[in-house]
Amino acid sequence: QVQMLQSGAEVKEPGASVNVSCRTYGYAFTSYYMHWVRLAPGQGLEWMGRINPKTGGADYAQKFQGRLTMSRDTSTTTAYMELSGLTSDDSAVYYCAFVTFDYWGQGTVVTVS
Amino acid sequence: QAGLTQPPSVSKALRQTATITCTGNTNNVGNQGALWLQQHQGHPPKLLSYRNNNRPSGISEKFAASRSGNTASLTITGLQPEDEADYYCSAWDNSLSAWVFGGGTKVTVL
Repeated sequence: QVQMLQSGAEVKEPGASVNVSCRTYGYAFTSYYMHWVRLAPGQGLEWMGRINPKTGGADYAQKFQGRLTMSRDTSTTTAYMELSGLTSDDSAVYYCAFVTFDYWGQGTVVTVS
Repeated sequence: QAGLTQPPSVSKALRQTATITCTGNTNNVGNQGALWLQQHQGHPPKLLSYRNNNRPSGISEKFAASRSGNTASLTITGLQPEDEADYYCSAWDNSLSAWVFGGGTKVTVL
């Protein structure tokens, strides 16, 4: 049974950074991409990027280039997403998603205020 | 970055059929097809289909996906109250080297 557990809600001030974690259970962590997707109030889903847990290599959506960093810890099968230079537009629910959106974390609410 | 185009809303009566379209271009939907996700308020998305009409284990046959050219479609038959949700299409875009999403379609069962 694949499970993905994300870190808790965050409240940040404008200009700060946020780090969201996604610990995974029940599958070969290094076998598939881990994606990060967000859902802002009144908006649709938005793909932020993906990381190859085996190599650590990441691809970022152009919109987030320069302020998004994805990383992973294979010893704890945990993926991380760090977004810097936060503005109110970054207030959203952030999800990790495994393989090609087959499995999803429960979501982490990030509020920038 | 450019996304896929979906109608904002679709409303149909109970037990009727709803069809949602998703229009892209030759770099995304027209190339490798689209996948579809269902999202109920306050819950993470759920994968309904991938590579046009492959359903993950446990997904009902009432959800059927197809594609014609640069447009993908999701048909939901026998609408029930629990089918009320937001539906999103997504596809890999070769020119952007990124996954793109549609804006989402809210399905209402009357």
